[in-house]
Amino acid sequence: GESVGLHLPTLSVQEGDNSIINCAYSNSASDYFIWYKQESGKGPQFIIDIRSNMDKRQGQRVTVLLNKTVKHLSLQIAATQPGDSAVYFCAEPLFGDTGRRALTFGSGTRLQVQP
Amino acid sequence: NAGVTQTPKFRVLKTGQSMTLLCAQDMNHEYMYWYRQDPGMGLRLIHYSVGEGTTAKGEVPDGYNVSRLKKQNFLLGLESAAPSQTSVYFCASSYAGQETQYFGPGTRLLVL
Repeated sequence: GESVGLHLPTLSVQEGDNSIINCAYSNSASDYFIWYKQESGKGPQFIIDIRSNMDKRQGQRVTVLLNKTVKHLSLQIAATQPGDSAVYFCAEPLFGDTGRRALTFGSGTRLQVQP
Repeated sequence: NAGVTQTPKFRVLKTGQSMTLLCAQDMNHEYMYWYRQDPGMGLRLIHYSVGEGTTAKGEVPDGYNVSRLKKQNFLLGLESAAPSQTSVYFCASSYAGQETQYFGPGTRLLVL
């Protein structure tokens, strides 16, 4: 089965509120995670990443938290805007046939921002 | 700098037909990837390449072939299309040793 998954398929928030999107992983040896945003009809876009030697990383209006004890990470979006409406994926590198790392993605959470 | 581009944007095939999806990147990335995305699901890796002339299988490689004859191009082929291959296909690329991947806009494929 997938080692990366998401708790909620859809999250609806009011404009201006903070959003929290969750992701669980199963491999305790995982050392790197990435969040992607995918708008309708477009390819995924990199938002922020975090390495396992960190608990928290902040970007512009986004924060990723990593809890290695329970194998959980979250993406927090401050002051959510209509432009934040999209599907958000967490992704984790896994080793492939050549020994190099490719990404495996969770199924995604759809964020809907209500005006 | 166009980033990652994909052609065609949309295609309709009949069962048994063949086609090739083209991915091109102008960022001089060593690694390239092909994913498929089905409704309500995340992206699943089909094949990937860590350099010109090399390819490797991903999570769902059956029914697909790939070639990386030039560093900037990665081709995905369907020899005999099946309805189960109806999906949106995304190409991505990255620098060697970096996990952050940059995605193209996708190709929507419908197999009747």
